[in-house]
Amino acid sequence: SQTIHQWPATLVQPVGSPLSLECTVEGTSNPNLYWYRQAAGRGLQLLFYSVGIGQISSEVPQNLSASRPQDRQFILSSKKLLLSDSGFYLCAWMGGPGELFFGEGSRLTVL
Amino acid sequence: SQELEQSPQSLIVQEGKNLTINCTSSKTLYGLYWYKQKYGEGLIFLMMLQKGGEEKSHEKITAKLDEKKQQSSLHITASQPSHAGIYLCGADKGGTSYDKVIFGPGTSLSVIP
Repeated sequence: SQTIHQWPATLVQPVGSPLSLECTVEGTSNPNLYWYRQAAGRGLQLLFYSVGIGQISSEVPQNLSASRPQDRQFILSSKKLLLSDSGFYLCAWMGGPGELFFGEGSRLTVL
Repeated sequence: SQELEQSPQSLIVQEGKNLTINCTSSKTLYGLYWYKQKYGEGLIFLMMLQKGGEEKSHEKITAKLDEKKQQSSLHITASQPSHAGIYLCGADKGGTSYDKVIFGPGTSLSVIP
């Protein structure tokens, strides 16, 4: 069966520090992968999506970037965090039209 | 691109009561999805609606898509504490691509035993 994992689960980072969140999927090949962010007052926002290795679509201009170095690995990064980057980050893969399977989430607090 | 609104923003009901959550789109929906999120966790897919007038059920949860395909309602019958959480409707961002799903702001449901 397919599984999706994210880490770390929680982290507290100072403003200006770098960020790396990792997501891996098991049990499927060549999945569409997504990064979403959920922040207070802003709902669940689509950040990046990828249809294959090295193929990244950025949905919202921001301080973040994404990479897909392997078929089932999706990484969210930042060189310098801002206070506004705080939120709950969710990775997902698409199993069928509109059917997303989400990871457990990574809660980021930027101080 | 697609924009979704949900009402109410939050809901508190007594166990056993019925409730309805609404989702309205700014454009015709080619696919409407309902998800549930427990606090602090990822979302869980409930069901997908595609055709005007379509209705689907998942346990005690029923969702409908109106004939014009711009509004959906999610109805819970005889609510239980296990129904508590955030309900989000989703739709394809581009309208027809099925590749990128955007979500409404969510409806927070609390069920009092």
